[in-house]
Amino acid sequence: KNQVEQSPQSLIILEGKNCTLQCNYTVSPFSNLRWYKQDTGRGPVSLTIMTFSENTKSNGRYTATLDADTKQSSLHITASQLSDSASYICVVRGYGNNRLAFGKGNQVVVIP
Amino acid sequence: EAGVTQFPSHSVIEKGQTVTLRCDPISGHDNLYWYRRVMGKEIKFLLHFVKESKQDESGMPNNRFLAERTGGTYSTLKVQPAELEDSGVYFCASSQDSGLAGGVQETQYFGPGTRLLVL
Repeated sequence: KNQVEQSPQSLIILEGKNCTLQCNYTVSPFSNLRWYKQDTGRGPVSLTIMTFSENTKSNGRYTATLDADTKQSSLHITASQLSDSASYICVVRGYGNNRLAFGKGNQVVVIP
Repeated sequence: EAGVTQFPSHSVIEKGQTVTLRCDPISGHDNLYWYRRVMGKEIKFLLHFVKESKQDESGMPNNRFLAERTGGTYSTLKVQPAELEDSGVYFCASSQDSGLAGGVQETQYFGPGTRLLVL
């Protein structure tokens, strides 16, 4: 079983609407959690990073939340744009190691 | 500043052949990582270089995979002989810090990946 589970697997939203992506993880002990955006044919690009003590982090229209007690994170996209169409990958690092645990990603398609 | 580059972008080979993938990290990044994404699965770690040394190669699937980073600059990943299950996207990433200290907010910068198809 993967240590990082994401939902929904995919979703289609209208341009201008908001959406929220979910990430549940079992990695322990925990160091930090990142959300990456991966455009088709490109490599993942880091959007946000949160450590144990951080509950929320924003990057433009992207807002990530973290509940380290329940081991859950979310990524909220506000006022979606066509360029937001991509795969959003939740990545968790355990404390004291350099290996990352990846989710399968949330595939988001924004339509006009 | 140039990002992480990978070559080739695509490779189609027959089972039993050899393929060599190349990664050029961001200049000055001592840490270099190889990852692989098999269709329908999550991205998985293969190995980690610190300069020219293999820090962690526990993710390498088997001895058909050989990674090198001579001189601590670019890295190559050779698959010999290739099997059907080796098909996937191979990503390379680099970072300044390794994050081994725990809590260090290192960032891994990913290349665009090499799409390998073994027929």
